[in-house]
Amino acid sequence: DIQMTQSPSSLSASVGERVTITCQASQDISSYLNWYQQKSGKAPKLLIYDASNLETGVTSRFSGSGSGTDFTFTISSLQPEDIATYYCQQYDNLPLTFGGGTKVEIK
Amino acid sequence: QVQLQESGPGLVKPSQTLSLTCTVSGGSISSGSYYWSWIRQPAGKGLEWIGRIYSSGSTNNNPSLKSRVTISVDTSKNQFSLKLSSVTAADTAVYYCARQWSQFDYWGQGTLVTVSS
Repeated sequence: DIQMTQSPSSLSASVGERVTITCQASQDISSYLNWYQQKSGKAPKLLIYDASNLETGVTSRFSGSGSGTDFTFTISSLQPEDIATYYCQQYDNLPLTFGGGTKVEIK
Repeated sequence: QVQLQESGPGLVKPSQTLSLTCTVSGGSISSGSYYWSWIRQPAGKGLEWIGRIYSSGSTNNNPSLKSRVTISVDTSKNQFSLKLSSVTAADTAVYYCARQWSQFDYWGQGTLVTVSS
């Protein structure tokens, strides 16, 4: 199985601050990586697919980059509605696997 | 707009079989090159992919669940289903169904299944 390691596991930042989350794959997954946002009690929501493509209708505050084993998800200016847990997910190999999640809070 | 809705018992006894159905609306389960997946999330924990089915009926399951998983599709009802056998308390989780192209783009709201006697 491909292990997806996210860091940090949680973070606290101020409104307007830039937030960066990293996701490292245990082997090369090219750009076969997606990012999801999960708010409390809700299903995950797709934000970024294929490492850097913004899903239709998703705010441009969110962006993704990377390829191979190292990936980054960025919130350019943290807003209160961004409070959630964020997950990366690889689809290069079965079984499909998710990172452990990063919980984002407002300072 | 595609919508998915999970249904099934919220309480299952240990050693029994968990059975859930996902009903798809707003699009045919047979159209397009999509997989239809099950994903679960224990309380306070991360997401675990259980398995998926293609409209043709071909399946892929997570080996971590060994041979306990059966996923089937009923194209006439626009539904796909999950059966997880020999459940234990460790199978207590919110279960989601989702559509997958390369990404999971549509999800159900999730249903909590508790394994307890």
